[in-house]
Amino acid sequence: GENVEQHPSTLSVQEGDSAVIKCTYSDSASNYFPWYKQELGKRPQLIIDIRSNVGEKKDQRIAVTLNKTAKHFSLHITETQPEDSAVYFCAASWMDSSYKLIFGSGTRLLVRP
Amino acid sequence: NAGVMQNPRHLVRRRGQEARLRCSPMKGHSHVYWYRQLPEEGLKFMVYLQKENIIDESGMPKERFSAEFPKEGPSILRIQQVVRGDSAAYFCASSPQTGSPSYEQYFGPGTRLTVT
Repeated sequence: GENVEQHPSTLSVQEGDSAVIKCTYSDSASNYFPWYKQELGKRPQLIIDIRSNVGEKKDQRIAVTLNKTAKHFSLHITETQPEDSAVYFCAASWMDSSYKLIFGSGTRLLVRP
Repeated sequence: NAGVMQNPRHLVRRRGQEARLRCSPMKGHSHVYWYRQLPEEGLKFMVYLQKENIIDESGMPKERFSAEFPKEGPSILRIQQVVRGDSAAYFCASSPQTGSPSYEQYFGPGTRLTVT
């Protein structure tokens, strides 16, 4: 079955710096890759997603890149702010799997003021 | 503009009791997914349901766990004879399209189950 690996498990950056989180997936049939942000005790919130027919997508300070050949995708956050501190999860999904999401293990991002 | 609703938000059960978790999808959504999040871990898929049908239960433990999504009312995740290892946050998510599912899933606030 599909497996998603996520690195690093923790990431500490200075406010204003960039943060990059990377994920790899195993099933080449995967064609949808969302990123979720989860604050302590809260629900996962969809922050950006990308489909397999696109190589990059950007939304203000957040961008996601996808390399289908290498089967990896990355989240880039620029000009980080303390409120970006949270746990970030990547996930993969594909049509023949009922669209269920297979999640990575999460990255705890700390933005130091 | 109500989002995905879950109740109760917190549930405490003693070992051996039953837990019932409810999920009401967003208005117009007819696809529900349940995920479990153990403390300090990621989310794991459990089951995918449409109205009156279980579509994919490949992530459900074989015993004690069941799920339903009746024609009327919320989706229910039922855990019989709970054990301490069932303590976790249980999230449901709903998907926007009616005829066939869409990729995007929006999560409810979760039910935090504690087994004492």
